[in-house]
Amino acid sequence: GAGVSQTPSNKVTEKGKYVELRCDPISGHTALYWYRQSLGQGPEFLIYFQGTGAADDSGLPNDRFFAVRPEGSVSTLKIQRTERGDSAVYLCASSLRAVASGAQETQYFGPGTRLLVL
Amino acid sequence: ILNVEQSPQSLHVQEGDSTNFTCSFPSSNFYALHWYRWETAKSPEALFVMTLNGDEKKKGRISATLNTKEGYSYLYIKGSQPEDSATYLCAFQAGTALIFGKGTTLSVSS
Repeated sequence: GAGVSQTPSNKVTEKGKYVELRCDPISGHTALYWYRQSLGQGPEFLIYFQGTGAADDSGLPNDRFFAVRPEGSVSTLKIQRTERGDSAVYLCASSLRAVASGAQETQYFGPGTRLLVL
Repeated sequence: ILNVEQSPQSLHVQEGDSTNFTCSFPSSNFYALHWYRWETAKSPEALFVMTLNGDEKKKGRISATLNTKEGYSYLYIKGSQPEDSATYLCAFQAGTALIFGKGTTLSVSS
Protein backbone atom coordinates (compact mmCIF):
# COMPACT_ATOMS: atom_id res chain seq x y z
CA GLY A 1 0.00 0.00 0.00
CA ALA A 2 0.96 3.64 -0.21
CA GLY A 3 3.37 4.96 2.36
CA VAL A 4 3.62 8.40 3.92
CA SER A 5 3.96 11.09 1.29
CA GLN A 6 5.22 14.64 1.68
CA THR A 7 5.04 17.62 -0.62
CA PRO A 8 6.93 19.46 -1.84
CA SER A 9 10.06 17.34 -1.86
CA ASN A 10 12.17 20.49 -2.00
CA LYS A 11 11.35 24.08 -1.14
CA VAL A 12 13.57 27.12 -1.57
CA THR A 13 12.33 30.36 -0.07
CA GLU A 14 13.63 33.72 1.00
CA LYS A 15 14.11 34.86 4.56
CA GLY A 16 10.91 36.30 5.95
CA LYS A 17 8.55 34.34 3.71
CA TYR A 18 5.79 31.99 4.77
CA VAL A 19 5.88 28.29 3.84
CA GLU A 20 3.54 25.33 4.15
CA LEU A 21 4.68 21.72 4.14
CA ARG A 22 2.17 18.94 3.56
CA CYS A 23 2.04 15.38 4.89
CA ASP A 24 -0.27 12.58 3.76
CA PRO A 25 -0.09 9.76 6.31
CA ILE A 26 -0.78 6.10 5.71
CA SER A 27 -4.53 5.58 5.40
CA GLY A 28 -6.10 4.61 8.71
CA HIS A 29 -3.20 5.81 10.86
CA THR A 30 -4.51 7.89 13.72
CA ALA A 31 -1.20 9.24 15.00
CA LEU A 32 0.92 11.71 13.03
CA TYR A 33 4.30 13.20 13.93
CA TRP A 34 6.53 15.95 12.57
CA TYR A 35 10.30 15.92 13.01
CA ARG A 36 13.06 18.19 11.77
CA GLN A 37 16.58 17.15 10.86
CA SER A 38 19.16 19.91 10.74
CA LEU A 39 22.55 19.34 9.12
CA GLY A 40 24.71 16.97 11.14
CA GLN A 41 21.97 16.15 13.64
CA GLY A 42 19.46 13.38 14.13
CA PRO A 43 15.77 14.09 13.56
CA GLU A 44 14.21 16.18 16.36
CA PHE A 45 10.60 15.93 17.44
CA LEU A 46 8.34 18.89 16.69
CA ILE A 47 4.69 17.93 17.21
CA TYR A 48 2.39 14.93 17.54
CA PHE A 49 -1.27 14.63 16.55
CA GLN A 50 -3.74 12.07 17.78
CA GLY A 51 -6.65 12.41 15.39
CA THR A 52 -7.33 16.09 14.77
CA GLY A 53 -5.78 17.44 17.95
CA ALA A 54 -2.20 18.30 18.71
CA ALA A 55 -1.53 16.06 21.70
CA ASP A 56 2.07 17.21 22.19
CA ASP A 57 3.58 20.33 20.60
CA SER A 58 6.47 20.65 23.01
CA GLY A 59 9.05 20.35 20.23
CA LEU A 60 7.95 23.38 18.23
CA PRO A 61 10.89 25.82 18.51
CA ASN A 62 8.85 29.03 18.68
CA ASP A 63 5.52 30.58 17.74
CA ARG A 64 6.52 30.95 14.09
CA PHE A 65 5.82 27.24 13.75
CA PHE A 66 2.29 25.89 13.65
CA ALA A 67 0.72 22.65 12.43
CA VAL A 68 -2.83 21.53 11.74
CA ARG A 69 -4.63 18.31 10.95
CA PRO A 70 -8.24 19.45 10.51
CA GLU A 71 -9.79 16.18 9.37
CA GLY A 72 -7.52 13.74 11.16
CA SER A 73 -5.65 12.73 8.03
CA VAL A 74 -3.54 15.21 6.05
CA SER A 75 -1.40 17.57 8.10
CA THR A 76 0.21 20.89 7.20
CA LEU A 77 3.22 22.36 8.95
CA LYS A 78 3.27 26.13 8.64
CA ILE A 79 6.30 28.33 9.18
CA GLN A 80 5.92 32.10 9.33
CA ARG A 81 8.68 34.66 8.77
CA THR A 82 11.19 31.99 7.85
CA GLU A 83 14.77 32.36 9.02
CA ARG A 84 17.96 30.83 7.61
CA GLY A 85 18.15 28.62 10.68
CA ASP A 86 14.88 26.96 9.65
CA SER A 87 16.71 25.27 6.76
CA ALA A 88 16.43 21.54 7.39
CA VAL A 89 14.73 18.34 6.28
CA TYR A 90 11.20 18.20 7.67
CA LEU A 91 10.04 14.63 8.21
CA CYS A 92 6.52 13.41 8.78
CA ALA A 93 5.65 10.02 10.26
CA SER A 94 2.47 8.17 11.07
CA SER A 95 1.55 5.19 13.21
CA LEU A 96 -1.57 3.09 13.44
CA ARG A 97 -2.16 3.98 17.07
CA ALA A 98 -0.63 6.27 19.61
CA VAL A 99 1.90 4.99 22.08
CA ALA A 100 -0.50 5.76 24.91
CA SER A 101 -2.74 2.97 23.68
CA GLY A 102 -0.19 0.52 25.03
CA ALA A 103 0.91 -0.92 21.73
CA GLN A 104 4.53 -0.80 20.58
CA GLU A 105 3.97 1.26 17.51
CA THR A 106 6.31 1.63 14.58
CA GLN A 107 6.41 5.14 13.18
CA TYR A 108 6.51 5.09 9.37
CA PHE A 109 8.29 8.01 7.80
CA GLY A 110 7.85 9.93 4.59
CA PRO A 111 10.81 11.01 2.42
CA GLY A 112 10.86 14.50 3.90
CA THR A 113 10.73 18.04 2.58
CA ARG A 114 14.09 19.74 2.17
CA LEU A 115 13.62 23.39 3.07
CA LEU A 116 16.26 25.94 2.19
CA VAL A 117 15.84 29.50 3.40
CA LEU A 118 18.07 31.97 1.58
CA ILE B 1 17.85 16.21 28.79
CA LEU B 2 17.57 12.78 27.18
CA ASN B 3 20.58 12.00 24.99
CA VAL B 4 21.08 9.22 22.47
CA GLU B 5 24.61 8.53 21.29
CA GLN B 6 25.61 6.46 18.28
CA SER B 7 29.06 5.23 17.35
CA PRO B 8 30.91 5.24 15.15
CA GLN B 9 29.75 8.34 13.29
CA SER B 10 30.77 6.77 9.97
CA LEU B 11 32.18 3.49 8.79
CA HIS B 12 33.63 2.23 5.55
CA VAL B 13 33.85 -1.53 4.92
CA GLN B 14 34.48 -3.89 2.05
CA GLU B 15 31.78 -6.09 0.55
CA GLY B 16 31.48 -9.27 2.59
CA ASP B 17 32.73 -7.74 5.85
CA SER B 18 30.56 -8.01 8.93
CA THR B 19 30.12 -4.90 11.03
CA ASN B 20 28.30 -3.55 14.06
CA PHE B 21 27.22 -0.20 15.48
CA THR B 22 26.37 0.96 18.98
CA CYS B 23 23.47 3.01 20.30
CA SER B 24 23.58 4.30 23.90
CA PHE B 25 20.47 5.67 25.56
CA PRO B 26 19.14 6.57 29.02
CA SER B 27 18.44 3.50 31.14
CA SER B 28 15.51 5.15 32.95
CA ASN B 29 11.97 5.75 31.66
CA PHE B 30 12.56 3.27 28.86
CA TYR B 31 9.65 2.40 26.60
CA ALA B 32 11.14 1.19 23.32
CA LEU B 33 14.22 1.40 21.13
CA HIS B 34 13.81 1.81 17.38
CA TRP B 35 16.29 1.22 14.56
CA TYR B 36 15.89 2.81 11.13
CA ARG B 37 17.85 2.64 7.89
CA TRP B 38 17.88 5.84 5.83
CA GLU B 39 19.14 5.80 2.28
CA THR B 40 19.75 9.06 0.48
CA ALA B 41 16.62 10.55 -1.14
CA LYS B 42 14.39 7.88 0.39
CA SER B 43 12.20 7.55 3.48
CA PRO B 44 13.73 6.23 6.70
CA GLU B 45 12.88 2.53 6.77
CA ALA B 46 11.89 0.92 10.07
CA LEU B 47 14.11 -2.05 10.89
CA PHE B 48 13.26 -3.00 14.48
CA VAL B 49 11.23 -1.93 17.49
CA MET B 50 12.68 -3.46 20.65
CA THR B 51 11.14 -3.31 24.09
CA LEU B 52 12.39 -6.13 26.32
CA ASN B 53 15.76 -6.34 28.01
CA GLY B 54 17.79 -9.07 26.33
CA ASP B 55 15.64 -8.93 23.21
CA GLU B 56 17.26 -9.97 19.94
CA LYS B 57 15.69 -9.35 16.55
CA LYS B 58 16.75 -10.37 13.06
CA LYS B 59 15.82 -9.29 9.57
CA GLY B 60 17.80 -11.05 6.88
CA ARG B 61 21.49 -10.25 7.42
CA ILE B 62 20.71 -7.56 9.98
CA SER B 63 20.20 -8.24 13.66
CA ALA B 64 19.97 -6.18 16.82
CA THR B 65 20.30 -6.73 20.56
CA LEU B 66 18.99 -4.69 23.47
CA ASN B 67 20.24 -4.10 27.03
CA THR B 68 17.87 -1.75 28.82
CA LYS B 69 19.58 -2.04 32.21
CA GLU B 70 22.85 -0.58 30.94
CA GLY B 71 21.28 1.46 28.15
CA TYR B 72 22.72 0.17 24.91
CA SER B 73 21.75 -1.60 21.70
CA TYR B 74 23.93 -3.14 19.02
CA LEU B 75 23.07 -3.45 15.34
CA TYR B 76 24.93 -6.12 13.39
CA ILE B 77 25.21 -6.55 9.64
CA LYS B 78 26.59 -9.86 8.43
CA GLY B 79 28.32 -10.01 5.06
CA SER B 80 27.81 -6.34 4.12
CA GLN B 81 26.65 -5.59 0.59
CA PRO B 82 26.84 -2.29 -1.35
CA GLU B 83 23.05 -1.94 -0.99
CA ASP B 84 23.53 -1.80 2.79
CA SER B 85 25.13 1.63 2.35
CA ALA B 86 22.93 4.03 4.31
CA THR B 87 22.67 5.94 7.55
CA TYR B 88 21.47 3.81 10.45
CA LEU B 89 19.52 5.71 13.09
CA CYS B 90 18.50 4.55 16.51
CA ALA B 91 15.75 6.26 18.46
CA PHE B 92 14.84 6.06 22.14
CA GLN B 93 11.20 6.24 23.09
CA ALA B 94 10.28 7.44 26.59
CA GLY B 95 6.84 8.70 25.67
CA THR B 96 5.24 9.58 22.39
CA ALA B 97 8.15 11.14 20.55
CA LEU B 98 11.26 9.41 19.32
CA ILE B 99 14.60 10.83 20.41
CA PHE B 100 17.12 10.11 17.70
CA GLY B 101 20.87 9.74 17.69
CA LYS B 102 22.88 11.38 14.95
CA GLY B 103 23.23 8.09 13.10
CA THR B 104 26.03 5.89 11.79
CA THR B 105 26.73 6.28 8.09
CA LEU B 106 27.85 3.02 6.51
CA SER B 107 29.58 2.84 3.16
CA VAL B 108 30.17 -0.57 1.59
CA SER B 109 32.59 -0.88 -1.30
CA SER B 110 32.39 -3.68 -3.85
